[in-house]
Amino acid sequence: AQSVTQLDSHVSVSEGTPVLLRCNYSSSYSPSLFWYVQHPNKGLQLLLKYTSAATLVKGINGFEAEFKKSETSFHLTKPSAHMSDAAEYFCVVSARSNYQLIWGAGTKLIIKP
Amino acid sequence: SAVISQKPSRDICQRGTSLTIQCQVDSQVTMMFWYRQQPGQSLTLIATANQGSEATYESGFVIDKFPISRPNLTFSTLTVSNMSPEDSSIYLCSVHGGGGTEAFFGQGTRLTVV
Repeated sequence: AQSVTQLDSHVSVSEGTPVLLRCNYSSSYSPSLFWYVQHPNKGLQLLLKYTSAATLVKGINGFEAEFKKSETSFHLTKPSAHMSDAAEYFCVVSARSNYQLIWGAGTKLIIKP
Repeated sequence: SAVISQKPSRDICQRGTSLTIQCQVDSQVTMMFWYRQQPGQSLTLIATANQGSEATYESGFVIDKFPISRPNLTFSTLTVSNMSPEDSSIYLCSVHGGGGTEAFFGQGTRLTVV
């Protein structure tokens, strides 16, 4: 069975400071992991994905995530937040053996000027 | 990758009526997925539509309420029937190739039932 937990429903940071959005997963198999972003009134956009290659994954807009098997984590980070990063972020786990996607509850990122 | 066109982008509907949402993909795909995103919530899978067979519904969703058509490999519709205010949500069409590949989404249909 698979599951994903986003540890924070809201994260608030000041512009220019680092961003950390936390995601823990559970999977019986080697998973694929994704981060998606949803800006207000916009569609879902893939930020980055892990599919068993390098454990440090770089995505769009300066985001990156590190797959840590020992900690079953896939936290999303960015060195310096911009106002345009304000959005909802979803961590997703997928089994490579089927079509199932398991979605986290989402983390709302708030950027303070 | 896949480009998905979904329409309408939004609608306001009277309770008791039905709305059909269309989803067009720019390439042939085996599986298409319909999600619901209630206000402030994450995505919930409604059903999986495989061309040439009946859609497979997730627990809590039934065909009478959410009939789905999948006439060919690039198109699908989702109907929200006999709507109530509780159906007010964003409905999303998605495709992915399985096996841990990324999913692609339409822009979504923002439905408000009054």
